[in-house]
Amino acid sequence: SYELTQPPSVSVSPGQTASISCSGDKLGDKYACWYQQKPGQSPVLIIYQDNKRPSGIPERFSGSNSGNTATLTISGTQAMDEADYYCQAWGTYVVFGGGTKLTVL
Amino acid sequence: QLQLQESGPGLVKPPETLSLTCTVSGGSITSSTYYWGWIRQPPGKGLEWIGSIYYSGSTYYNPSLKSRLTISLDTSKSQFSLKLSSLTAADTAVYYCAKVSGSSGDYHMDVWGQGTSVIVSS
Repeated sequence: SYELTQPPSVSVSPGQTASISCSGDKLGDKYACWYQQKPGQSPVLIIYQDNKRPSGIPERFSGSNSGNTATLTISGTQAMDEADYYCQAWGTYVVFGGGTKLTVL
Repeated sequence: QLQLQESGPGLVKPPETLSLTCTVSGGSITSSTYYWGWIRQPPGKGLEWIGSIYYSGSTYYNPSLKSRLTISLDTSKSQFSLKLSSLTAADTAVYYCAKVSGSSGDYHMDVWGQGTSVIVSS
């Protein structure tokens, strides 16, 4: 079965750039998307088709996908960006990464 | 604006069957543009895709759940439903319904319900 691997945690200082990776076999040949989930809330789609932002998602969120790795980049990270982030792709069915807890400190 | 709302029992005994419903408002459940899906999240853990259904009734299931799972559509009520049988404690989770968009390998969930907590316990 297809698997996506994310680091369990990433830390970043306010105003700096955070990068969260998502690895999977030939992931670059598939579309990746990303969700943000804050405690007690439903996930929110923040990136789809590798690098597209839904309406209302701030420009500081961006994505890329090449080779075996998709990357979510948050530029000028704010305290409000502290959350869990999940990547997702379609293997032979929908697969989620294990999630990355982003800490802004 | 399209909205989704899950409903169902908060507590189910093993090995009973879980039945959940998602009500769609603000949009058409019969649109050919997207799918309808179920996702769950055990306490303190990550997201797990359960399955999806197209307006035509075509279904797509997580292989690990397929033998216990049925997803159906009731267009007259603008609802889609999940039935998961032979429940165990491992099925305890928050269950989300979602609108699934995309095509040609792009498959993303752009509208989510608020989630409903299900505890499996005797």
